[in-house]
Amino acid sequence: KQEVTQIPAALSVPEGENLVLNCSFTDSAIYNLQWFRQDPGKGLTSLLLIQSSQREQTSGRLNASLDKSSGRSTLYIAASQPGDSATYLCAVYDYKLSFGAGTTVTVRA
Amino acid sequence: GAVVSQHPSRVICKSGTSVKIECRSLDFQATTMFWYRQFPKQSLMLMATSNEGSKATYEQGVEKDKFLINHASLTLSTLTVTSAHPEDSSFYICSAPTSGPSYEQYFGPGTRLTVT
Repeated sequence: KQEVTQIPAALSVPEGENLVLNCSFTDSAIYNLQWFRQDPGKGLTSLLLIQSSQREQTSGRLNASLDKSSGRSTLYIAASQPGDSATYLCAVYDYKLSFGAGTTVTVRA
Repeated sequence: GAVVSQHPSRVICKSGTSVKIECRSLDFQATTMFWYRQFPKQSLMLMATSNEGSKATYEQGVEKDKFLINHASLTLSTLTVTSAHPEDSSFYICSAPTSGPSYEQYFGPGTRLTVT
């Protein structure tokens, strides 16, 4: 059974600081890994998807890396802004999508 | 990106009644859709996989007679919570993967169900 862990559970930083969010998974036989953002009471917004054959993906201030052999992914958010405050979820897809518990980020103005 | 809608966004019902939630892929076809529930401050838990033209596949511990899933077309899946009880109150979210090698999942905005 796939287990996905996200560390830290919560993070509070001043505006402008870079964010580093970690995700680990137990079974490396994955098809892809996705990072999502969830605002309170809302659905999920897809941020980045990394295929199992890729090592990283970038979109604007976001960069996600994947080390499938060690079962780890890291999401970097550069120059954080108050609008980045949300819960960030990591999910891996093998035959189904398994989610971590998320990292709740607060960016202080 | 692809768009998935859900209806209704919020519903309040009395204990013992049934509630239907719709999930639609608006600009792509989805032979498979997924249904999740999320309790406050917890992550998403997969309930079932909805397959167009065939029976849904339920995760262990999910009562298939209580959570009826119908994948009526390539753009519509419905989840019916039958004989709802207060413990069924939760946030229900659906997702649909796009076709092609990426199999990227797109999520609906969710439905907040409150059973009184």
